[in-house]
Amino acid sequence: GAVVSQHPSRVICKSGTSVKIECRSLDFQATTMFWYRQFPKQSLMLMATSNEGSKATYEQGVEKDKFLINHASLTLSTLTVTSAHPEDSSFYICSAPNTGPGGRQPQHFGDGTRLSIL
Amino acid sequence: AQTVTQSQPEMSVQEAETVTLSCTYDTSESNYYLFWYKQPPSRQMILVIRQEAYKQQNATENRFSVNFQKAAKSFSLKISDSQLGDTAMYFCAFIPYNNDMRFGAGTRLTVKP
Repeated sequence: GAVVSQHPSRVICKSGTSVKIECRSLDFQATTMFWYRQFPKQSLMLMATSNEGSKATYEQGVEKDKFLINHASLTLSTLTVTSAHPEDSSFYICSAPNTGPGGRQPQHFGDGTRLSIL
Repeated sequence: AQTVTQSQPEMSVQEAETVTLSCTYDTSESNYYLFWYKQPPSRQMILVIRQEAYKQQNATENRFSVNFQKAAKSFSLKISDSQLGDTAMYFCAFIPYNNDMRFGAGTRLTVKP
């Protein structure tokens, strides 16, 4: 079963709306989670690293005030797209690293959120 | 800066044949991990195979194997006996010691019947 749950899987909303995406680790604790953005037919681009108990680390070019990240607990990170506009429409994926010894899968990925802003 | 390059945007192969996807990377790190992920139309990220940089032996997972050339910073994926279900985007990925994963641009593989 999935070890990282991402919700919602699909969002369609009007321009100007703020949208919150949740990423939960189901059976392990994640002090770090990663948020990616993927445009159609393109690769995953790291947006930010979410750190439990401290501020997120954003990649260059990513607007901190636009993409608010909160890592409230060891199992939950949220990404809020504030005042979303059509250009924010994309596929957003979260992941959490496997901190266990010798884990085959170093990153557990959520199933992604398809965000469409009208 | 650490980069991952996949020079083949698209590839196709006949069912049951073998195909190799290329990947090169650039890093100054000595310890790191390399991966191939598969992303089918459902857009789930599925781990295909991983390779630890300190291991000289090439990783193998059933029909999937890699050719890891550390000195050349090359990490190609070979898919043997290709199946229709192998049709997907394939991403090469790299993690240095600080666990910040970077992806290549991807290769779209189509397996033809």
